[in-house]
Amino acid sequence: GAVVSQHPSWVICKSGTSVKIECRSLDFQATTMFWYRQFPKQSLMLMATSNEGSKATYEQGVEKDKFLINHASLTLSTLTVTSAHPEDSSFYICSARWTAPTAEAFFGQGTRLTVV
Amino acid sequence: GESVGLHLPTLSVQEGDNSIINCAYSNSASDYFIWYKQESGKGPQFIIDIRSNMDKRQGQRVTVLLNKTVKHLSLQIAATQPGDSAVYFCAENISPDTGRRALTFGSGTRLQVQP
Repeated sequence: GAVVSQHPSWVICKSGTSVKIECRSLDFQATTMFWYRQFPKQSLMLMATSNEGSKATYEQGVEKDKFLINHASLTLSTLTVTSAHPEDSSFYICSARWTAPTAEAFFGQGTRLTVV
Repeated sequence: GESVGLHLPTLSVQEGDNSIINCAYSNSASDYFIWYKQESGKGPQFIIDIRSNMDKRQGQRVTVLLNKTVKHLSLQIAATQPGDSAVYFCAENISPDTGRRALTFGSGTRLQVQP
């Protein structure tokens, strides 16, 4: 199957700093990628849909100025957590889907963000 | 709609037994369903999928059953092994399935396999 690579797998940052997380589709082009957030013992919650060459679509309650998404190419989407606070500590997961021959979704390994 | 962030229910089974994990979905417009396995600290891994024009699909040691009447999905794992211990999520896609929509995840079930 296709591979989605996410980097870094974990990061610790100080409050007030910004952190960038990269999501790459390694062997297919993804016009659309998705960013999820997962708190401990909970399910994946969609944050935003990243569209290549256009603005991301954010889910209700997700601050677009806080979580900046850039999808500059067909194989790379980035999520930047700006001015991070301890409550932003979470597991962030990206996903990309094929559009053909199936619409299977592939997930990155996830990024554990800890803000201290 | 979005999945609700609930604490995970746990299913505990003995090694070698069969496991059944259930999932209820809410959107009758969903036409594609997937089961994922998530191990601690990792992203979800695809297990098996099923389209709404089917009610059963089998893979290696896994079977997915779909009951559209009651909007219920189940994952059956035969001869459960310790390596099956993980959190299992169902996910649904709302028609049309273009690949440009995000999947909506269920709340998940933790499977613990006792040796």
